[in-house]
Amino acid sequence: EPEVTQTPSHQVTQMGQEVILRCVPISNHLYFYWYRQILGQKVEFLVSFYNNEISEKSEIFDDQFSVERPDGSNFTLKIRSTKLEDSAMYFCASTTGGNVGYTFGSGTRLTVV
Amino acid sequence: LAKTTQPISMDSYEGQEVNITCSHNNIATNDYITWYQQFPSQGPRFIIQGYKTKVTNEVASLFIPADRKSSTLSLPRVSLSDTAVYYCLVGSYNQGGKLIFGQGTELSVKP
Repeated sequence: EPEVTQTPSHQVTQMGQEVILRCVPISNHLYFYWYRQILGQKVEFLVSFYNNEISEKSEIFDDQFSVERPDGSNFTLKIRSTKLEDSAMYFCASTTGGNVGYTFGSGTRLTVV
Repeated sequence: LAKTTQPISMDSYEGQEVNITCSHNNIATNDYITWYQQFPSQGPRFIIQGYKTKVTNEVASLFIPADRKSSTLSLPRVSLSDTAVYYCLVGSYNQGGKLIFGQGTELSVKP
């Protein structure tokens, strides 16, 4: 069964540092997403990406966040200057569109210290 | 997006059938009903999706009454490994719309 792959599985970073979370979506999928889940809380939508541009973003996705699909296979989330409150699990997801299920990766646990 | 309401938690025992009901009174004509499962420290996993009546796959069944204002996820003969959070989502995802997760139902299966 095809998978969404995320790396690294765990990242620890100092406050104020930049981090890049990486994802390889399923190859024939067209829509890509980042979600986050703070410990004990809901899964929250961050951003959706289609046709090489952001299609929607949440209030959480401010100027400190950016996404990129640099080479047609990787999909990255960059946080420019991390804050303590950015500590969370970050999930990448993808889908073909057409009212079918979305496939999520296993996540990257980001810890900002 | 239609608001959903589901129980916060449920307990069951191994081998029992578990039914989790979700209310979605303001579901729109184009909306589908989708259920996801999430284990601790893992991403949500798609279980089943339906529009009306009954849908069954190798994992679960989804029952949707004619008015579509609620739906029931049925897990046959649960095991300890079915302990997870189950999310009911309602929306039209034909063009890749975002998924909005609520708190979900925390199912605990006991031996």
